[in-house]
Amino acid sequence: GAGVSQSPSNKVTEKGKDVELRCDPISGHTALYWYRQRLGQGLEFLIYFQGNSAPDKSGLPSDRFSAERTGESVSTLTIQRTQQEDSAVYLCASNLGGNTEAFFGQGTRLTVV
Amino acid sequence: SQQGEEDPQALSIQEGENATMNCSYKTSINNLQWYRQNSGRGLVHLILIRSNEREKHSGRLRVTLDTSKKSSSLLITASRAADTASYFCATGGGTSYGKLTFGQGTILTVHP
Repeated sequence: GAGVSQSPSNKVTEKGKDVELRCDPISGHTALYWYRQRLGQGLEFLIYFQGNSAPDKSGLPSDRFSAERTGESVSTLTIQRTQQEDSAVYLCASNLGGNTEAFFGQGTRLTVV
Repeated sequence: SQQGEEDPQALSIQEGENATMNCSYKTSINNLQWYRQNSGRGLVHLILIRSNEREKHSGRLRVTLDTSKKSSSLLITASRAADTASYFCATGGGTSYGKLTFGQGTILTVHP
């Protein structure tokens, strides 16, 4: 695709429900990142996929958070048993790896009520 | 924890003035990047400077990197109201190959 695509753009969910966020990276990009951004805050690293290497999950805040990526394609970020503090914009980015420019999607705004 | 830390947290200037934002980091890096964010959504890449470079220019942007002080600065010259946004530095490489780690950002407001 032309850019990184994230869906849905907005998601409102009830506390305790599970949610899945999707990211379609730019074709050919070997690296994919997920970040969380709370209102007025910086980007909090969540997870990083690079090719066939084991993902760097060091930023996942709890075991309620998980992410998968099949090959160098789509990634899904799953949040189980959502809590109000999970409310944030979740941003996905991809690049060619090797510390090159990263391209961001427009994010998914998650609101847990 | 965040690798890069920007300062100031907020900067307010008049159109035509220059804006300078600083970024400090803690561990060794391969490169440092600057990004811009409008309205809390996707970030746009501005410029990348590698660890063996000291200065880089792109249009009205000038970035410096001092690896001995583990710091970088972003200068926007002749600012415009449209430059109003949040600016983030991101560090990559070093001990975390490829992973980009962002700071808290500087909110820049340019008054017409």
